[in-house]
Amino acid sequence: KNEVEQSPQNLTAQEGEFITINCSYSVGISALHWLQQHPGGGIVSLFMLSSGKKKHGRLIATINIQEKHSSLHITASHPRDSAVYICAVSTFNTGNQFYFGTGTSLTVIP
Amino acid sequence: NAGVTQTPKFRILKIGQSMTLQCTQDMNHNYMYWYRQDPGMGLKLIYYSVGAGITDKGEVPNGYNVSRSTTEDFPLRLELAAPSQTSVYFCASTHRRTGITYEQYFGPGTRLTVT
Repeated sequence: KNEVEQSPQNLTAQEGEFITINCSYSVGISALHWLQQHPGGGIVSLFMLSSGKKKHGRLIATINIQEKHSSLHITASHPRDSAVYICAVSTFNTGNQFYFGTGTSLTVIP
Repeated sequence: NAGVTQTPKFRILKIGQSMTLQCTQDMNHNYMYWYRQDPGMGLKLIYYSVGAGITDKGEVPNGYNVSRSTTEDFPLRLELAAPSQTSVYFCASTHRRTGITYEQYFGPGTRLTVT
């Protein structure tokens, strides 16, 4: 069983649609991270959160610590949002190890 | 700051060859990591380091070695390359203080093919 599960694996949306990606985790965490990876590209951090909600432009991330669940929302989606979105959790163990979901591949069609 | 840099970007190896993937960060981060990313799988931890001179195995260390002689550099060595090591390799770093979590910064990745 993976420590971090994401859904859906693949998502296709029309430009302008509201998008939600879900993440569940099963370990104790110090924080939850949402990462973005463009095709053939590197990985960048979008959000790091340990409670509540954070917003950056059209992106919103929420976390429910009791339910061990997080969501990433994209409002008014745009083709440039097409990427793989990865949920990851950091832990308090010795190596500050991160566990990663398998990613959600998002395609936004104009 | 350049952040986390990795070289090379691409490499093709023959079975049995060896190589070193270089990783350097200029953010004075104490923690550094090597991951591999295979299609359809999440990033898997190969090795990590909590500071110069200290390294430890991750989830998938077999066939790899690391060293951390300085804070900045964390090279990954592949000995006797095998097709199963065909993957994209990412180096990452973060700062860590007791009770405080920081985000990870990733290098651009190295795409390695072993044939």
